[in-house]
Amino acid sequence: EPEVTQTPSHQVTQMGQEVILRCVPISNHLYFYWYRQILGQKVEFLVSFYNNEISEKSEIFDDQFSVERPDGSNFTLKIRSTKLEDSAMYFCASTNTYEQYFGPGTRLTVT
Amino acid sequence: QKEVEQNSGPLSVPEGAIASLNCTYSDRVSQSFFWYRQYSGKSPELIMSIYSNGDKEDGRFTAQLNKASQYVSLLIRDSQPSDSATYLCAVNMGGNNRLAFGKGNQVVVIP
Repeated sequence: EPEVTQTPSHQVTQMGQEVILRCVPISNHLYFYWYRQILGQKVEFLVSFYNNEISEKSEIFDDQFSVERPDGSNFTLKIRSTKLEDSAMYFCASTNTYEQYFGPGTRLTVT
Repeated sequence: QKEVEQNSGPLSVPEGAIASLNCTYSDRVSQSFFWYRQYSGKSPELIMSIYSNGDKEDGRFTAQLNKASQYVSLLIRDSQPSDSATYLCAVNMGGNNRLAFGKGNQVVVIP
């Protein structure tokens, strides 16, 4: 069964460093999303992406964040200058309809 | 007002019993509703989607939707220890189909 994959599973970085989180959505899906979940809190929407451009972003998704689909399979989230409060699980999701399927997540730890 | 609310505390049910979870949402125009299961440290796993008023059954799971009352529920019949998890209610907020999540309800099935 096709599934969303994400790498790395765990990323530790120092405050101020740039990180890139990678996702491979399900192959025939056209809509892509990033969500995050701070430990003990609810899942929060960051950004949606369709047809090679951002279709919606949340207030969290400020100028420090960017997304890209560099090729036909990968979908990346870049955080330019990480802050302590960026520590969270980051989930990629994809869909062709309304049902979004989530990847296993990347645990980002900012020290 | 929160977009999606799940207010019940942890729910402990004996094995074989029915677990009942509730969710309310604020946006009257929402049309798509989902239940995700999340095991500790893992990503959300889609278990049910519902789009029309009434009941939808899938195996031991039944989702119920009442758009007039802005209310979604999930019943888990014949609860098993493997059902012990946090259950997330998610609502499609339209437009670019971002999902708004509730904070989740923890279910503990006692053997």
